[in-house]
Amino acid sequence: SQKIEQNSEALNIQEGKTATLTCNYTNYSPAYLQWYRQDPGRGPVFLLLIRENEKEKRKERLKVTFDTTLKQSLFHITASQPADSATYLCALDLSGSARQLTFGSGTQLTVLP
Amino acid sequence: NAGVTQTPKFQVLKTGQSMTLQCAQDMNHNSMYWYRQDPGMGLRLIYYSASEGTTDKGEVPNGYNVSRLNKREFSLRLESAAPSQTSVYFCASSEVRAGGGLAKNIQYFGAGTRLSVL
Repeated sequence: SQKIEQNSEALNIQEGKTATLTCNYTNYSPAYLQWYRQDPGRGPVFLLLIRENEKEKRKERLKVTFDTTLKQSLFHITASQPADSATYLCALDLSGSARQLTFGSGTQLTVLP
Repeated sequence: NAGVTQTPKFQVLKTGQSMTLQCAQDMNHNSMYWYRQDPGMGLRLIYYSASEGTTDKGEVPNGYNVSRLNKREFSLRLESAAPSQTSVYFCASSEVRAGGGLAKNIQYFGAGTRLSVL
């Protein structure tokens, strides 16, 4: 069955360091992968989309890579700040029809001052 | 700019009671979704509506019904609530469009409804 795994439930890092979150998937070749941010008590907010033919995508301090051979995406936050503390979710269209997204369970990132 | 609005924000039900969760979007999106989020389980799709007048089951539809009332509104009904339906419910919308040969499904979420069934 199709499955999405995010590397760990919680990740703590020191302010100023680079946070790296992992998203692995099995049994499918998605055309694109998305990352969302979710703050406590709020709904997820879209951050970045990367397509299968893009190796890397950047937005300000965020960088996403997509390795379709390894079936893995890495999400990096450089020069991390306490305000980056949140849960980060990856999402893929495993239906092939662009009608549904399947979300990973998320990684809770805490940036310590 | 309201985006996706969900009501109510909180609700407590007794087992067997019924209720309807309301969702409205003002972005003129064609697709709408209902998810539930439980600790350690991530977001799981209950039902979705690809366009006005259509609805389809997601991963966990049992115990729920939906209505796509018009393009703006998509409601989720629990006919006979059970403790297993205690969760946080999120509504989302998206404009599924093809761009350069690739259909994207970037979703916009409401703030959620926190439901407890006793």
